[in-house]
Amino acid sequence: NAGVTQTPKFQVLKTGQSMTLQCAQDMNHNSMYWYRQDPGMGLRLIYYSASEGTTDKGEVPNGYNVSRLNKREFSLRLESAAPSQTSVYFCASSEYTSLADTQYFGPGTRLTVL
Amino acid sequence: KQEVTQIPAALSVPEGENLVLNCSFTDSAIYNLQWFRQDPGKGLTSLLLIQSSQREQTSGRLNASLDKSSGRSTLYIAASQPGDSATYLCAVLNYGQNFVFGPGTRLSVLP
Repeated sequence: NAGVTQTPKFQVLKTGQSMTLQCAQDMNHNSMYWYRQDPGMGLRLIYYSASEGTTDKGEVPNGYNVSRLNKREFSLRLESAAPSQTSVYFCASSEYTSLADTQYFGPGTRLTVL
Repeated sequence: KQEVTQIPAALSVPEGENLVLNCSFTDSAIYNLQWFRQDPGKGLTSLLLIQSSQREQTSGRLNASLDKSSGRSTLYIAASQPGDSATYLCAVLNYGQNFVFGPGTRLSVLP
């Protein structure tokens, strides 16, 4: 099992460009998440999908859109990138958003917006 | 709004020492608390998960405790090794079904 995979690993964008970050999991998990990690601030939840066909906003959704393409895949789109979106982006999955839920994380995508 | 803090921000110890990492949260209405490890340039790995009804969890040399009423958790690492060097993050799962992470403690264990 590969667990949670993310592509690309690194990306540099210019302000105003768009891109999609891809995430896939092979653990048959129901829930998937997108976080961003900034120095000294911990991880902050951008969007999550509790189950296939549903998505909900997290703490910092502005400037992002998501698509739960199927049970395996959850993508994050930046329509018009801004320098404030320079960050490390992590995708995670869990079996359920329940009381005994462990999240499994991908290796991250390092995004720089110039 | 839930806030999670971790003290210290960084810690350097010689190999073999026992050490304690601290995590505090402002809202005690949580489902659970997790401790994660993050190696440089890598994703997070879950170490221990403590349910809100539990007081502690143990895995090998790691022991995590939870005092929900005071909003505190500690991660105890026994007989530290250089391979323990990493950033350790705690995160709480709120009743609103979202995780709130602390900023992490960067640990260096010196051989």
